[in-house]
Amino acid sequence: EVVLTQSPGTLSLSLGERATLSCRASQSVRSNYLAWYQHKPGQAPRFLIHAASHRATGIPDRFSGSGSGTDFTLTISRLEPEDFAVYYCQQYGNSPYTFGQGTKLEIK
Amino acid sequence: EVQLVESGGAWVQPGRSLRLSCVVSGLTFNDYAMHWVRQAPGKGLEWLSYINWNSEKIAYADSVKGRFTISRDNAKNSLYLQMNSLRAEDTALYYCAKDVEFNPYGGMDVWGQGTTVTVSS
Repeated sequence: EVVLTQSPGTLSLSLGERATLSCRASQSVRSNYLAWYQHKPGQAPRFLIHAASHRATGIPDRFSGSGSGTDFTLTISRLEPEDFAVYYCQQYGNSPYTFGQGTKLEIK
Repeated sequence: EVQLVESGGAWVQPGRSLRLSCVVSGLTFNDYAMHWVRQAPGKGLEWLSYINWNSEKIAYADSVKGRFTISRDNAKNSLYLQMNSLRAEDTALYYCAKDVEFNPYGGMDVWGQGTTVTVSS
């Protein structure tokens, strides 16, 4: 099973700042099949990025994904109030699929 | 508008069974793979299972393999999760989610609101 480790566990930033979230895999993710999701309390998770770097439909361009192999990054260029949430990476290249433990992005 | 609506969550005793359902509307259901994901109280997301469009590709997380069974009925636009031998650690909010593709290789782009399962004596 591919273990995904996200860092940091919590990230405290101000509006307008840049957020960089990391996701490291215990082994190479096949075809870079790595997705990112945003999750807010009481809501369904929101699909942000697929195949490591492709924004999902309707996702603002301040969200970007990068990386390959075992190291992946989600970057939010300028934080808006609605961006504060928990972010999960998920690999779907190797069965069983797995999620990281999440990074909580909070307002400083 | 694409909608996924889960149902079937309940309080059950350890060792008992439960069947979750997810009805999908607003798209051609048999064009897409489907997934179940759960979130235990205070914990993160846990992927549980996928099924491709024609039920020929199925996989499970180790934590539920042998106890849970995923299935779908394309004529009824419905996805199911049969959960047997339930344990306290299965207590969670259970989501169904649609894959981007007909095989489970695209990521989960639409999610339901979830249904709650509580396993306790």
